[in-house]
Amino acid sequence: GPKVLQIPSHQIIDMGQMVTLNCDPVSNHLYFYWYKQILGQQMEFLVNFYNGKVMEKSKLFKDQFSVERPDGSYFTLKIQPTALEDSAVYFCASSPDWGFYEQYFGPGTRLTVL
Amino acid sequence: AQSVTQPDARVTVSEGASLQLRCKYSYSGTPYLFWYVQYPRQGLQLLLKYYSGDPVVQGVNGFEAEFIKSNSSFHLRKASVHWSDSAVYFCAVSPFNNNNAPRFGAGTKLSVKP
Repeated sequence: GPKVLQIPSHQIIDMGQMVTLNCDPVSNHLYFYWYKQILGQQMEFLVNFYNGKVMEKSKLFKDQFSVERPDGSYFTLKIQPTALEDSAVYFCASSPDWGFYEQYFGPGTRLTVL
Repeated sequence: AQSVTQPDARVTVSEGASLQLRCKYSYSGTPYLFWYVQYPRQGLQLLLKYYSGDPVVQGVNGFEAEFIKSNSSFHLRKASVHWSDSAVYFCAVSPFNNNNAPRFGAGTKLSVKP
C-alpha cells in the first residue's frame, strides 16, 4: 500500500539547537499532519497543513515550531530552539482529503533532546 | 470540545479469547470514527472506520466495531485473538462538518498471552 517515509528515524540533539524532521507523504495526498507520541502511547495532534497553509494547530504547537512543504517536496517540522520536553516520537501522516479518509502514517522520528 | 476516551490503558487476554476495547467520544453530532493499530516501532494502520449505516462495521484481521449512538461509544471487538494481535490500539474521532484533524484517544496496549 501507499507509504509515508520519515527521515531521520532517530535524532539526538542538544537543548537549544534547531532540528528539522522530514516527511515524504503519499504522492497524491493533499492533507498533511504531525502528531507527537509520548511514552509509547498518547498520540497528540500538533498541526494540520493543506494547500501551503496551517489549517489547524494545537496548544502543543508552540511558537518554536514551524511547518512547510516547499514546492511539493518534503513536509517538514522545524523546532527552533528545542527544549527537553520536545523529546518524543513525531509521526507524520497524510490523507487524500479530510473527514472520512484514512490517514497514512510514517514510522516516526524519535527525537531525543539532551 | 471534542474528546476521545479509552478508559483501559492496558488489557491482557489469553490467545483464543474474545476481546473488547472500549472507546467513548464527546462530540455534538455524529463524527467520523476510526480504529487504528500500532505495532512496535511502526506508524498507525487503519483497522476500520464508520460514519453511517449498519452500526456494526467490519475491519481487517477479524476486527469489528459497534457504534452505539445513545452511549457515544465505538467499541472494538474480536471473537478470538491471536498472539500477533499484541499491539497498541487507538480510537480516533474526526469532526463531520469541518476539516479539523482527527483526534486520538490515549491508546490501549493489548497483550495476548500464548
